[in-house]
Amino acid sequence: GENVEQHPSTLSVQEGDSAVIKCTYSDSASNYFPWYKQELGKRPQLIIDIRSNVGEKKDQRIAVTLNKTAKHFSLHITETQPEDSAVYFCAASPPTGNQFYFGTGTSLTVIP
Amino acid sequence: GAGVSQSPRYKVAKRGQDVALRCDPISGHVSLFWYQQALGQGPEFLTYFQNEAQLDKSGLPSDRFFAERPEGSVSTLKIQRTQQEDSAVYLCASSWGTGGNTGELFFGEGSRLTVL
Repeated sequence: GENVEQHPSTLSVQEGDSAVIKCTYSDSASNYFPWYKQELGKRPQLIIDIRSNVGEKKDQRIAVTLNKTAKHFSLHITETQPEDSAVYFCAASPPTGNQFYFGTGTSLTVIP
Repeated sequence: GAGVSQSPRYKVAKRGQDVALRCDPISGHVSLFWYQQALGQGPEFLTYFQNEAQLDKSGLPSDRFFAERPEGSVSTLKIQRTQQEDSAVYLCASSWGTGGNTGELFFGEGSRLTVL
């Protein structure tokens, strides 16, 4: 089955700096890669996703890049703000089986 | 309601008790998932429903775990004879799609189970 690894497990950045979170996956058939943000005690919420037919997707301060050959994808947050502080999860989903395989999460702290 | 609703939000059970966790998905969402999230970990897949059909239960950790969605909407996750290792947050998620890559998962706020 699919195995998703996520790094780093914790990340602290100064407000205004950029944050990068990286994930690798093992199943080359996976073709959908969402990122979820989970604030303390709240539900995970989708912030951005990418499909394997594109290499990069951007939405305001958030971008995701995908390298299919290397089987890794990354979340980039620019101009970080304190409200970006949360746990971020990457996930990979193959085209069959309705499975989403999640990484172990990155706890991001943005220091004002 | 506007989102996925789960109840109870918090449940404390004595070891050996049975518990039932409820999920009310977004109306019209065909796909429903249950995940288990241990402290500091990512969600781990338990089971998947497409309407009332349980198409995948490969993630259920033992035969003490049982899930149903009899009318294709509300789902219940039942854990029999709870053990301490069952302590976790149980997340329910629903999505509109079927087949592979069912689209955005909408999560509930979870049911936090503590087994003493």
